[in-house]
Amino acid sequence: DAGVTQSPTHLIKTRGQQVTLRCSPISGHKSVSWYQQVLGQGPQFIFQYYEKEERGRGNFPDRFSARQFPNYSSELNVNALLLGDSALYLCASSLQPDRYYGYTFGSGTRLTVV
Amino acid sequence: QKEVEQDPGPLSVPEGAIVSLNCTYSNSAFQYFMWYRQYSRKGPELLMYTYSSGNKEDGRFTAQVDKSSKYISLFIRDSQPSDSATYLCAMSTGGGADGLTFGKGTHLIIQP
Repeated sequence: DAGVTQSPTHLIKTRGQQVTLRCSPISGHKSVSWYQQVLGQGPQFIFQYYEKEERGRGNFPDRFSARQFPNYSSELNVNALLLGDSALYLCASSLQPDRYYGYTFGSGTRLTVV
Repeated sequence: QKEVEQDPGPLSVPEGAIVSLNCTYSNSAFQYFMWYRQYSRKGPELLMYTYSSGNKEDGRFTAQVDKSSKYISLFIRDSQPSDSATYLCAMSTGGGADGLTFGKGTHLIIQP
């Protein structure tokens, strides 16, 4: 079975631009969450989506937005990119938001803002 | 003070040693505790999951949770060079809406 798939794997953007990151969950998983991992830090929670609805949001500015599609895939959008947005963006999928033992992470999208 | 504190290391031990990794936390509402292993340029991989206090063992790995002290530990027995990675503790209050709160991660190096 395929794991959590994220695309693209690497991305370089210029300050002020906008970026869209994509995530395909494990088949049967209806919950997707997004995390930002800055170099040398642990992942930080951005969004939780379940059944196409936002169920949770971390402490991130409104420049960050996301959505979940009917097939449970998800997109994370970041507008007006800042240098500090450079990080590894991780997507995790699970059957339900509180099934922590079943959280599976993808390998992430490495975003570099120059 | 961060919600979850974890010594970033690096922690270097010889092959075969017992490794002890730990995290402290401040939010007494945390009920779910996890340890993840992350190799360079990869996503975190779940190693151990514990609900509330107590011990859990899985092969060479043992997780301990002491909610009264707000302290969790991961022990690795008979450590192998392939165990060299960053180990992240993570915890949640439950429900899923708050996501997981991670520690900074400890970089572990097992010397052959």
